[in-house]
Order: sequence, then C-alpha cells, then structure tokens
Amino acid sequence: LAKTTQPISMDSYEGQEVNITCSHNNIATNDYITWYQQFPSQGPRFIIQGYKTKVTNEVASLFIPADRKSSTLSLPRVSLSDTAVYYCLVGSFSGGYNKLIFGAGTRLAVHP
Amino acid sequence: KAGVTQTPRYLIKTRGQQVTLSCSPISGHRSVSWYQQTPGQGLQFLFEYFSETQRNKGNFPGRFSGRQFSNSRSEMNVSTLELGDSALYLCASSSGQGNGELFFGEGSRLTVL
Repeated sequence: LAKTTQPISMDSYEGQEVNITCSHNNIATNDYITWYQQFPSQGPRFIIQGYKTKVTNEVASLFIPADRKSSTLSLPRVSLSDTAVYYCLVGSFSGGYNKLIFGAGTRLAVHP
Repeated sequence: KAGVTQTPRYLIKTRGQQVTLSCSPISGHRSVSWYQQTPGQGLQFLFEYFSETQRNKGNFPGRFSGRQFSNSRSEMNVSTLELGDSALYLCASSSGQGNGELFFGEGSRLTVL
C-alpha cells in the first residue's frame, strides 16, 4: 500500500490560496489520489480525486505530475470555514479490496 | 438521498464490557468500511465488508469484529473493552468498485471508563 507524506500543519489567512503537497513515492498503477476534509467530531468528506494531470471542481484543484509520485491540493481564496484537517490518500478498490489508507493529515488553520 | 447513518452517536462503557455499533450505508452501496480515530493514532482502518463478506482487515486484535447483513447494513462489535478503545468509530460506505469514493457517517464516539 502506498504511504503518503504531507505536512503536519499549515497556516494561512482569509482570501489566500493554499497549496498542500502530498508525497506518495510508491503509488501503484491502479491507485487514484483522493483528498478528504475533516472537521472536528465529523466524518471525513470527499473533496477531489484524480489519476493524473489536473482536476478541478467547484471547491479545489488537484495537480498531479507525470510521475504521479506527488500531488498538490489547491484551495483558492480560503475562508475561516476551511479550517480543518486535510487527508491525502492513494489507493483504490483494485482487486476487490478497499485499499484506502489514511495518513496523518495536514491541519490547516485559516486566520482572519 | 439519505447519507450514512451511524448509531448510537455517543456511548459510555466500562472496562470489560462489550459494545455493538451500527451503520446504515447509502442506498445502493454494497461496501461498508470501519475506521477508528484517536488523537494519537489518527484514522486507522478496521475492516471492510462487501456483500456480507469481509474483504479486507486492518491490524486490530480479534476483540474487534464486524458483520454485514443482506441489506448492506453493518455492525461492528468490540468485546472486553479497554481504556484504549475510547475513540470515534467511523463508518464509510461506497459502491465498492472502481476508484472508491468513501462517504462517511458522523461517527459513534465511544468512551471507556
């Protein structure tokens, strides 16, 4: 299973763009890269998922280089409500198994 | 479409007791995964069930067990509770195929005294 490494914490201010990078050197061919957001005492919530290149949705963008050994979650113009823990996962249901393992996550604090 | 429902939301037990937690997945989802979350260990994978069969299991002792019913609802059981079992237990449902987006419930917060 691919292990992920991401910064333990980050600080930002309202209105800024935040980029959180995740390393996953041992990513497998079938693995997808998925990011989740978690608020205290709640379950994680899906943000974005990608396989290669760039993916964008209404809340974030995900940049994946050609070698797929890292990925960057980009949150445009953060607000106080974006203060949360962000998890990077690599894995899939390849072979019929849930191989989605959470790392330690990045605790993002957005300041006024 | 209703989300993932976990019951009970909060519970307090004493050491040595056992506990059963329930999870109702999103309608149509056949995969249910369980995670334990503690401040020190983060989110740890317990096990996953798909069509009533355990497909994958994390590195937890045999005191932790689960099952899935024909309607995809799942239960997990922890026997002989220890203080270290105090945690937020999260259930996630998924279609169980492909890239596997997980949909989490609010969790069951267990406190062992």
